[in-house]
Amino acid sequence: GEDVEQSLFLSVREGDSSVINCTYTDSSSTYLYWYKQEPGAGLQLLTYIFSNMDMKQDQRLTVLLNKKDKHLSLRIADTQTGDSAIYFCAESTLGGGADGLTFGKGTHLIIQP
Amino acid sequence: GAVVSQHPSWVICKSGTSVKIECRSLDFQATTMFWYRQFPKQSLMLMATSNEGSKATYEQGVEKDKFLINHASLTLSTLTVTSAHPEDSSFYICSASSASGKHEQFFGPGTRLTVL
Repeated sequence: GEDVEQSLFLSVREGDSSVINCTYTDSSSTYLYWYKQEPGAGLQLLTYIFSNMDMKQDQRLTVLLNKKDKHLSLRIADTQTGDSAIYFCAESTLGGGADGLTFGKGTHLIIQP
Repeated sequence: GAVVSQHPSWVICKSGTSVKIECRSLDFQATTMFWYRQFPKQSLMLMATSNEGSKATYEQGVEKDKFLINHASLTLSTLTVTSAHPEDSSFYICSASSASGKHEQFFGPGTRLTVL
């Protein structure tokens, strides 16, 4: 079955860039997502990328997709304390509105002062 | 916009009882709703997909007679955990999408179920 893998923890200094990596196995993945989960809140969609794209940038966020290696990364520039959260990578074949998402276990981003 | 609520936020029940969790889309019509389950330090696992007015489609390994899903209106879906047991204790999260929002699911804040 489909599998999405992420490292569980990432620690960075405030002001540095954070890079969260994700790998997936389903070759039919068409849409790839990054969600943010803060304590007590629902998952918040940060950004998504279509499988025919290599890169997408949105303000401090840059998503890179290597479809050949099935590798997705999220770069957060100038990391702030408010970025501390769990970041989930997810994939979908039909598009997140039509079918359920397959999630990784989440990467807990820890910000050091 | 695109707010999804869940009720209750947390519930504690005795083993053998049934618990109903509500998921509401507050400001849009949710043609499709999804139910996920999240164990501590684990990923969200899709349990079922429901389209308004249709029977839910359950993922492999999810007992449809145990986890009853109703999506009777475009703004409300319910998940009923029947004859709950301690192993059903988990964090249940719903999400919703609209016909116009093809790429995005909007997630509720989740419901923590503890079965004693």
